[in-house]
Amino acid sequence: DAGVIQSPRHEVTEMGQEVTLRCKPISGHDYLFWYRQTMMRGLELLIYFNNNVPIDDSGMPEDRFSAKMPNASFSTLKIQPSEPRDSAVYFCASSRSSGVGGYTFGSGTRLTVV
Amino acid sequence: SQQGEEDPQALSIQEGENATMNCSYKTSINNLQWYRQNSGRGLVHLILIRSNEREKHSGRLRVTLDTSKKSSSLLITASRAADTASYFCATANYGQNFVFGPGTRLSVLP
Repeated sequence: DAGVIQSPRHEVTEMGQEVTLRCKPISGHDYLFWYRQTMMRGLELLIYFNNNVPIDDSGMPEDRFSAKMPNASFSTLKIQPSEPRDSAVYFCASSRSSGVGGYTFGSGTRLTVV
Repeated sequence: SQQGEEDPQALSIQEGENATMNCSYKTSINNLQWYRQNSGRGLVHLILIRSNEREKHSGRLRVTLDTSKKSSSLLITASRAADTASYFCATANYGQNFVFGPGTRLSVLP
């Protein structure tokens, strides 16, 4: 198993541009989570899905952020328009509903908005 | 908030010593997990302990849970330089909605 795969690993973009982050969860995991990590705020849960359905998006900062999970093997997190304060490392994680094994995290996407 | 809070924020020890990190939380939980994060990498799951368990072991790791005190501890025995990382506790009071604490930065000096 290749684990949770995120792309790109690094993204540098200009303020105002659209950014799309991608995630492929582990096959058989029915939960998918998007987290953002910064020095100031630590790890923040943005949104999570169960069986491709968004369950809790209360952590999404504002309307500029949107996430989709069109099928069990793919999810995107989009920021439009991006702002410098969105600069952070964005992690995707997946898990089984049983909780066995905990969350499996991807390697993250380091986003820099200039 | 149910968020766990790790203590200390940073810990520096010599190789071979034991490292103990603590996690306190505010609301009742159904389970608690510990994760490790090496610099520039994603988090790695270490161990899960359920609310009806008091202690679990995994290799050099020992986790305890005291629900009456709303606290957990992670003990790493015979530490190695490779254990240098940040350690996070994550708590959930239902389902899969885990909330992570700010972490403890552990430095193991050779």
